[in-house]
Amino acid sequence: SAVISQKPSRDICQRGTSLTIQCQVDSQVTMMFWYRQQPGQSLTLIATANQGSEATYESGFVIDKFPISRPNLTFSTLTVSNMSPEDSSIYLCSVRTHTQFFGPGTRLTVL
Amino acid sequence: ILNVEQSPQSLHVQEGDSTNFTCSFPSSNFYALHWYRWETAKSPEALFVMTLNGDEKKKGRISATLNTKEGYSYLYIKGSQPEDSATYLCAFSGSGGSNYKLTFGKGTLLTVNP
Repeated sequence: SAVISQKPSRDICQRGTSLTIQCQVDSQVTMMFWYRQQPGQSLTLIATANQGSEATYESGFVIDKFPISRPNLTFSTLTVSNMSPEDSSIYLCSVRTHTQFFGPGTRLTVL
Repeated sequence: ILNVEQSPQSLHVQEGDSTNFTCSFPSSNFYALHWYRWETAKSPEALFVMTLNGDEKKKGRISATLNTKEGYSYLYIKGSQPEDSATYLCAFSGSGGSNYKLTFGKGTLLTVNP
């Protein structure tokens, strides 16, 4: 199994600002994923982050809005840039070993 | 666009009741069906990964079945307890190079009343 921690666990931000979410895994993993769940919606994949290469974004998500860093095999960050109320969501980091594990999430509210 | 549907959206049961929910998913290009249990402020907990048509898996009082030909899976909870209260998510992954991508349903919110 993999134990994943995220910081911050929650935050309230003003529109137009940016927030960086950190994800730490207790073991080395090749692929890390970032998901979000908007209120009333499904968990949706934002991007896949591999160490040493640029993240691969899903349809509807762009690097300028959600820049991702992956400096090593146990850590990643997701930045939510120029936030608007529509970015209010739970953001989850995820890794895949024999199954897919998730962090506890970052609950973001944008005013 | 892949469509994963879960029903019901929410469910209230009494302690001791048995219950079940449904997940429907595309029947083509199937790779795996995942079930998760998600309590507020915690990490989603993986319950089952199911890959074969006709699969039945069990973990304590929770079990799941899989029908890939018709595109549905059932999750059963026997003798519900208040600690079973959570959102239950299913997720589909398709065959091909992107089998690591999960497409989730919106979940079933289960509340078990003592």
